[in-house]
Amino acid sequence: GDSVTQMEGPVTLSEEAFLTINCTYTATGYPSLFWYVQYPGEGLQLLLKATKADDKGSNKGFEATYRKETTSFHLEKGSVQVSDSAVYFCALRGTASKLTFGTGTRLQVTL
Amino acid sequence: DTGVSQDPRHKITKRGQNVTFRCDPISEHNRLYWYRQTLGQGPEFLTYFQNEAQLEKSRLLSDRFSAERPKGSFSTLEIQRTEQGDSAMYLCASSLWPRREKAGNTIYFGEGSWLTVV
Repeated sequence: GDSVTQMEGPVTLSEEAFLTINCTYTATGYPSLFWYVQYPGEGLQLLLKATKADDKGSNKGFEATYRKETTSFHLEKGSVQVSDSAVYFCALRGTASKLTFGTGTRLQVTL
Repeated sequence: DTGVSQDPRHKITKRGQNVTFRCDPISEHNRLYWYRQTLGQGPEFLTYFQNEAQLEKSRLLSDRFSAERPKGSFSTLEIQRTEQGDSAMYLCASSLWPRREKAGNTIYFGEGSWLTVV
């Protein structure tokens, strides 16, 4: 079945540092890929998405490129801010209609 | 606010009691999903509807759980005879199918309903 593997957290960075959160997936067919963000006590917000190979999703300075050859969708940001502290979830939507999520990676950004 | 709305946001109940959560999807979204999220884990799929038809149920959805979407608009998720293991956040989400957006197939989530069973 479909699955998503994310790097374990927590990830602790200083403000303005470079961020990478790794995500790899297993799926049949050609899934769409997503990053969602969850702030404390809140639900999920869509951060970015990519629907086919080599697509790059971007939003709020975050980027991720759909790499079919490595089945990856790593999240990057060039300069993180304290306000980026949250839990980040990688997810895929394959031939089934539902989303399959990774376990999440907690990011903590300090001054 | 035109996002996915869930009610109540927080519920504390005694073991053995029944609880019901309501979800109002984004207007015109014909697909509605329920997920469960426990602390430190990613959301897990429970079930989804297209209009009023329940099209898929996860094995996580035991006999004590029932979801309905009687008129194809709002949905309810009822948990009967709650157990401490039911403590989690229950997330509702919605989407439009078939895809009409240029990039397609985005699923939008509500803020969740926290359940604590004591």
